Amino acid sequence: AQRVTQPEKLLSVFKGAPVELKCNYSYSGSPELFWYVQYSRQRLQLLLRHISRESIKGFTADLNKGETSFHLKKPFAQEEDSAMYYCALYKGGKLIFGQGTELSVKP
Amino acid sequence: GAVVSQHPSWVICKSGTSVKIECRSLDFQATTMFWYRQFPKQSLMLMATSNEGSKATYEQGVEKDKFLINHASLTLSTLTVTSAHPEDSSFYICSAIRDGGHDEQFFGPGTRLTVL
Repeated sequence: AQRVTQPEKLLSVFKGAPVELKCNYSYSGSPELFWYVQYSRQRLQLLLRHISRESIKGFTADLNKGETSFHLKKPFAQEEDSAMYYCALYKGGKLIFGQGTELSVKP
Repeated sequence: GAVVSQHPSWVICKSGTSVKIECRSLDFQATTMFWYRQFPKQSLMLMATSNEGSKATYEQGVEKDKFLINHASLTLSTLTVTSAHPEDSSFYICSAIRDGGHDEQFFGPGTRLTVL
């Protein structure tokens, strides 16, 4: 069955430190993966998708099919990056979300 | 563009009553909308896929008769929680795919339901 796993429920870093939010997936086909972000009291919004291979707000994510991973990275975290981050797999017209990781960036 | 609204933003009801939540795509047409349930700081669980003009497709374990979905127009889907119980208290979120768009889902702000 298709599944998305985010092993860290909470990730706390200091401002300026590198951050990596882990995401692993299980899917037999060619995956289409996304990262969504939910800032405090705001709606869920798309951060980036692997097919676009772009950097949004300094975040990047590379699909590693060998390790079935799609980790989200940023070299220098900012306080405004504090939010819930969800990795999602697109399959059959639906999104399968991971459990989410709360990122807390301390000053 | 691509704004999705939900109404109400929060609702409190008594056990046994029914509650209707609306999801609207404000500036685009959406043949397909989705309903999710989210617990505090937890994942979004897909409840059902709402298709304009046809029956909704429910995920395994979701009671069709309890969570009634109607998608009567290209800009509106409704979720009715029938005979609500305290365990139905949750955050309900809808999303919509823009017609002609690829697969990006645009999310509503969510509705907080509290059943007393």
